Amino acid sequence: AQKVTQAQTEISVVEKEDVTLDCVYETRDTTYYLFWYKQPPSGELVFLIRRNSFDEQNEISGRYSWNFQKSTSSFNFTITASQVVDSAVYFCALIYYNQGGKLIFGQGTELSVKP
Amino acid sequence: DVKVTQSSRYLVKRTGEKVFLECVQDMDHENMFWYRQDPGLGLRLIYFSYDVKMKEKGDIPEGYSVSREKKERFSLILESASTNQTSMYLCASRTAGGPYEQYFGPGTRLTVT
Repeated sequence: AQKVTQAQTEISVVEKEDVTLDCVYETRDTTYYLFWYKQPPSGELVFLIRRNSFDEQNEISGRYSWNFQKSTSSFNFTITASQVVDSAVYFCALIYYNQGGKLIFGQGTELSVKP
Repeated sequence: DVKVTQSSRYLVKRTGEKVFLECVQDMDHENMFWYRQDPGLGLRLIYFSYDVKMKEKGDIPEGYSVSREKKERFSLILESASTNQTSMYLCASRTAGGPYEQYFGPGTRLTVT
C-alpha cells in the first residue's frame, strides 16, 4: 500500500536552530516521486521540492536541504538556521499513479519557530 | 507563476443547502483535484478530473459531486451539506505528464451549521 508517515506532529524550536522534519514512505512502485509542501497560516500549500526515485542526491536550496535515502524509505527535510517565517505545517507526499497521479500526504508536521 | 484561485476563502452554510465551490487555474493544466483537509487526517482526495467533462472518484466521494465544463474550471458540489462536511477544501492542478507536482489554491474553509 502507498503510505506516508510523518511521525512528528509538532516541533518547536528557537530561531537560528537547525531542525529536521522526518518523512517515511511505503510504496510498491519502482519508479515514484516524493514531494514536500509548506502550508503557512494563510492556508495555501506551497510546493517546495520534487524528488524522483532514481535520484538519491541530496538537494540544497538556501537554508533548506533534503536527504533522500531509498534504503530506509525516508525523505527528510532540514531547515538550517530557522527563522520565524519558517513557522508552518509541512507535508511530505508521494505520488500514486492511479487516480490521476494523486498525491498521498503524510499527516503533516507543524513547525513553530520562536524568536 | 501558476495561479489557482478558489471562489471563497470562508463560507458558512446551513445543513441541507446545496453548496458550490469553484476553482480556476490559469496554466492550461489537464488534471485538477479536490481535496479536503482535516486535523489529524491530512489531505484526502475527493474527486479528480483529467480532462473536460471527465471525472473520477477519489477516496472520499460520498456526499460530493463535481463538474468540469471548461478546462480551467473545476467545481465541487455538496448536494445537501451536512455538519460532517465542515472542513478545509483545497483545489489543485497539474499537467497531465511530468513533472507531477500539483499547484494548490488558497483553500476554502467551509462551516456547515
